[in-house]
Amino acid sequence: GNSVTQMEGPVTLSEEAFLTINCTYTATGYPSLFWYVQYPGEGLQLLLKATKADDKGSNKGFEATYRKETTSFHLEKGSVQVSDSAVYFCALTQTYNFNKFYFGSGTKLNVKP
Amino acid sequence: DVKVTQSSRYLVKRTGEKVFLECVQDMDHENMFWYRQDPGLGLRLIYFSYDVKMKEKGDIPEGYSVSREKKERFSLILESASTNQTSMYLCASRGQGSTGELFFGEGSRLTVL
Repeated sequence: GNSVTQMEGPVTLSEEAFLTINCTYTATGYPSLFWYVQYPGEGLQLLLKATKADDKGSNKGFEATYRKETTSFHLEKGSVQVSDSAVYFCALTQTYNFNKFYFGSGTKLNVKP
Repeated sequence: DVKVTQSSRYLVKRTGEKVFLECVQDMDHENMFWYRQDPGLGLRLIYFSYDVKMKEKGDIPEGYSVSREKKERFSLILESASTNQTSMYLCASRGQGSTGELFFGEGSRLTVL
């Protein structure tokens, strides 16, 4: 079956620290992978995505590389800001059924000044 | 700018009441979704609709129904609210030709007393 596992939070970092949030997946074939972010009091918004192996998604200084050999899609940022404090969700969907998304449980990031 | 609008950000209802959650999207998307978000459980799909008057059950449809009379509007109905339906409800939409990206509303936080 399809599933996503991401590291439990909360993750607490100081401003300008390096961020990694781990995400691994189980899926058949070649899923598309996503990171969504949910800022306090808001809905989810797409942060970045990758649709095939070795693709790197990037946005707002965040990056994630689709690694099929390790079934991973880890989120990284070189220098976090207080404004990055949010909940981050890893997700996958299959090209044969884009109406079915599999979300991880979310990782809360707290960035302190 | 794309937009998914949920009519109520916060609702407080009593056990046994009928509850309507409304969602409108302005992107002419064919597919619309209702998710429930609970801490530690991520997002769970309640129902989705791939066309007007068409609907499919998601992972947790019990206790809920939906209505899609117009393309832009997707309603979630709790026929008889119970305390275990206290949660954050997220509406999302997706275009037919997209590579899977979901667009989310800001969420409706429902408390059932």
